[in-house]
Amino acid sequence: SQTIHQWPATLVQPVGSPLSLECTVEGTSNPNLYWYRQAAGRGLQLLFYSVGIGQISSEVPQNLSASRPQDRQFILSSKKLLLSDSGFYLCAYSLGSGNTIYFGEGSWLTVV
Amino acid sequence: EDQVTQSPEALRLQEGESSSLNCSYTVSGLRGLFWYRQDPGKGPEFLFTLYSAGEEKEKERLKATLTKKESFLHITAPKPEDSATYLCAGDSGGSNYKLTFGKGTLLTVNP
Repeated sequence: SQTIHQWPATLVQPVGSPLSLECTVEGTSNPNLYWYRQAAGRGLQLLFYSVGIGQISSEVPQNLSASRPQDRQFILSSKKLLLSDSGFYLCAYSLGSGNTIYFGEGSWLTVV
Repeated sequence: EDQVTQSPEALRLQEGESSSLNCSYTVSGLRGLFWYRQDPGKGPEFLFTLYSAGEEKEKERLKATLTKKESFLHITAPKPEDSATYLCAGDSGGSNYKLTFGKGTLLTVNP
């Protein structure tokens, strides 16, 4: 069976500081990987998705970026955080021909 | 543009009081309708996928149904542990399985 790990679970960062959220999936190979953001009162917003190593598609223009340095590792980054980057960030994966998306536990980011 | 709308935004039930949550969608070429449960501060937990109108799926006190325009999540004799936010999402196809999510229904079941 597959498991997804995401860290850190919570972080408080000052405006203008960098960000790195990491996510790994175990128990499978070549998963589709996703980063979502969930803001209060809004639905889940897809930020990035990846269908393979080094292949990143961006859904929303912003000061965030994503990278997939290894098959089962997905990283969300920012060089300079904005207050508006605060929110709940979720890493997720789907497998092969299946379209069900499975989520990690999430990371709470507060930019102060 | 694909849209998923959930109603009501919040629902309070007494334990044992059955009800339904609604998910209306305008997703071109719907390839799947998904239901998730989300507890506070946690990631969404997958419940069901429905693929075609008329399909039904059940899990414990939950039953999901699908028509051509909407989906319902029926909750029979709910218990306090069923309290959570329930999310609905539509998959419009493509090779990357992007889902369009609704804003969710916050269900509270009082003992």
